[in-house]
Amino acid sequence: EAQVTQNPRYLITVTGKKLTVTCSQNMNHEYMSWYRQDPGLGLRQIYYSMNVEVTDKGDVPEGYKVSRKEKRNFPLILESPSPNQTSLYFCASSLARGTDTQYFGPGTRLTVL
Amino acid sequence: AQSVTQLDSQVPVFEEAPVELRCNYSSSVSVYLFWYVQYPNQGLQLLLKYLSGSTLVKGINGFEAEFNKSQTSFHLRKPSVHISDTAEYFCAVSDHGDKIIFGKGTRLHILP
Repeated sequence: EAQVTQNPRYLITVTGKKLTVTCSQNMNHEYMSWYRQDPGLGLRQIYYSMNVEVTDKGDVPEGYKVSRKEKRNFPLILESPSPNQTSLYFCASSLARGTDTQYFGPGTRLTVL
Repeated sequence: AQSVTQLDSQVPVFEEAPVELRCNYSSSVSVYLFWYVQYPNQGLQLLLKYLSGSTLVKGINGFEAEFNKSQTSFHLRKPSVHISDTAEYFCAVSDHGDKIIFGKGTRLHILP
């Protein structure tokens, strides 16, 4: 089944403790992206990647890192999480560009205490 | 810089009535426009998109949207809604196809 998977689905952590949210797709897509969703703010793009080793900042990249060492994986790294990073995070992938249909993962709900 | 505005945060509508969800954008260049839907506790899925060509775009589940360049709008419409259309709807814009800006979303409430 074609899908985007994210792990973990739920995470509660404390300020400053490094964490990684994994994202994997099995559709051989080149484009992958991370978003955060906050009430009243909608979805905001954090980072995106056009292909392996090619990443670029979205609208809200501060406090986040990404890497794209393999085509299928696009982990989101929070080196020193803070409470304002408490949010619902979505990973998405599409064939080649953002204008192609994006397939979203199920989301990761992160709480930073 | 591009931006997108969804004018209504919530829209209540009776079942089988028509609905229009409004979306306006601003950009200094040509744009690509999208509508995505998020059902409760799920990720987003594409409803429809405008890249070029015909300004009337038809999507899944009976939805359609019209690109109006002079009004800088891309409103979403459905002639008759069903209870299963209860969801949050997001308009999005991109000026080069990679970086995408989403609106804040419109919650569609279907009343029995």
